[in-house]
Amino acid sequence: ETGVTQSPTHLIKTRGQQVTLRCSSQSGHNTVSWYQQALGQGPQFIFQYYREEENGRGNFPPRFSGLQFPNYSSELNVNALELDDSALYLCASSLESTSGSKGWMYNEQFFGPGTRLTVL
Amino acid sequence: AQKVTQAQTEISVVEKEDVTLDCVYETRDTTYYLFWYKQPPSGELVFLIRRNSFDEQNEISGRYSWNFQKSTSSFNFTITASQVVDSAVYFCALSETYNNNDMRFGAGTRLTVKP
Repeated sequence: ETGVTQSPTHLIKTRGQQVTLRCSSQSGHNTVSWYQQALGQGPQFIFQYYREEENGRGNFPPRFSGLQFPNYSSELNVNALELDDSALYLCASSLESTSGSKGWMYNEQFFGPGTRLTVL
Repeated sequence: AQKVTQAQTEISVVEKEDVTLDCVYETRDTTYYLFWYKQPPSGELVFLIRRNSFDEQNEISGRYSWNFQKSTSSFNFTITASQVVDSAVYFCALSETYNNNDMRFGAGTRLTVKP
């Protein structure tokens, strides 16, 4: 069973450019979440994808967008990069349960190693 | 919206000392999930524990223990007999959903354990 992988490991872009980050979910997982972690801060939830549809979004502008593919791999796209977009981007995968109710079911998520993006 | 506060930005201890990392949370939901993660210098988040709001039992795992108190909205983490390998940034997190599509992390506590 392979874990969550992300590519690239590091990336340097200039302000105004666009970037695509990739995530391969853990085998069998159908849900992926993306987080942004600025230096010295905790991760912030960007959005989640389940079965190729956005399934929740944090407080991020529309220039942050995502895709999930039929094989459950995912991309995070950021347009019009700003200096403040410099951060570690983490993805996490989990398996969405098909039954159960809030309170006793939980989807354990597993984090990838992250992509460090530097915007100059 | 939910909120997680880790008031201790940095803690430094000498090996074999006990250390407690504090976490205070805010939520209006009656069902929620609390977590602790470890982030070593490599950057990957390592899951340590999850606790459901309806289970206030404290937990011990080796040198690690967690004290969950709903009355004070706290979920504190204690490392007993700390070791140099415990040096890392530790994050407390809260999710109000079972599928984590709203997860909120604290700012983290950097723990340095000196030999």
